[in-house]
Amino acid sequence: NAGVTQTPKFQVLKTGQSMTLQCAQDMNHNSMYWYRQDPGMGLRLIYYSASEGTTDKGEVPNGYNVSRLNKREFSLRLESAAPSQTSVYFCASSANAYEQYFGPGTRLTVT
Amino acid sequence: AQRVTQPEKLLSVFKGAPVELKCNYSYSGSPELFWYVQYSRQRLQLLLRHISRESIKGFTADLNKGETSFHLKKPFAQEEDSAMYYCALSGSGSQGNLIFGKGTKLSVKP
Repeated sequence: NAGVTQTPKFQVLKTGQSMTLQCAQDMNHNSMYWYRQDPGMGLRLIYYSASEGTTDKGEVPNGYNVSRLNKREFSLRLESAAPSQTSVYFCASSANAYEQYFGPGTRLTVT
Repeated sequence: AQRVTQPEKLLSVFKGAPVELKCNYSYSGSPELFWYVQYSRQRLQLLLRHISRESIKGFTADLNKGETSFHLKKPFAQEEDSAMYYCALSGSGSQGNLIFGKGTKLSVKP
């Protein structure tokens, strides 16, 4: 089992460019999440999907969109990247309310 | 409002010394509390949760509802404990969503 995988690992974008961060899990979990991690801010929830076909906003959804393509995959899209979106992005999945499994992260820099 | 507070950004101790990472929470219902850890160059992972009342890698945490705290403790710190520690809260009806504190970086010196 690979667990939760994310691509790419690193990305540099120019302001205004768009990109999609990919996430997949092979644990048959219903719930999936996208977080951003910033120094001194901890992890903040961007969007989550409680089950296939549903998505909901988290704490900091502005500037992002998500797609729950199927049970395995949950993508995060930046339509027009801004320097404030420079961050490390983590995807996670969960089968229940007790433990989330995290991916290795994507380090994004927007110049 | 639901909130998790970790008052220390950085905690530095010597090997063999006791360590306590503080966590306070604000939640009106019955929360589930967790500690997650991120070692250098590794992904975030669950360390322990209050409902299991277990000790993981020598760490324990007791939920104190009166003080709304869930401090993480270890009697004798090891260098390999150096990591970023996050306290997290999950509330009933939250669909498993976690609210994380801002984290405490633990540095254990030799």
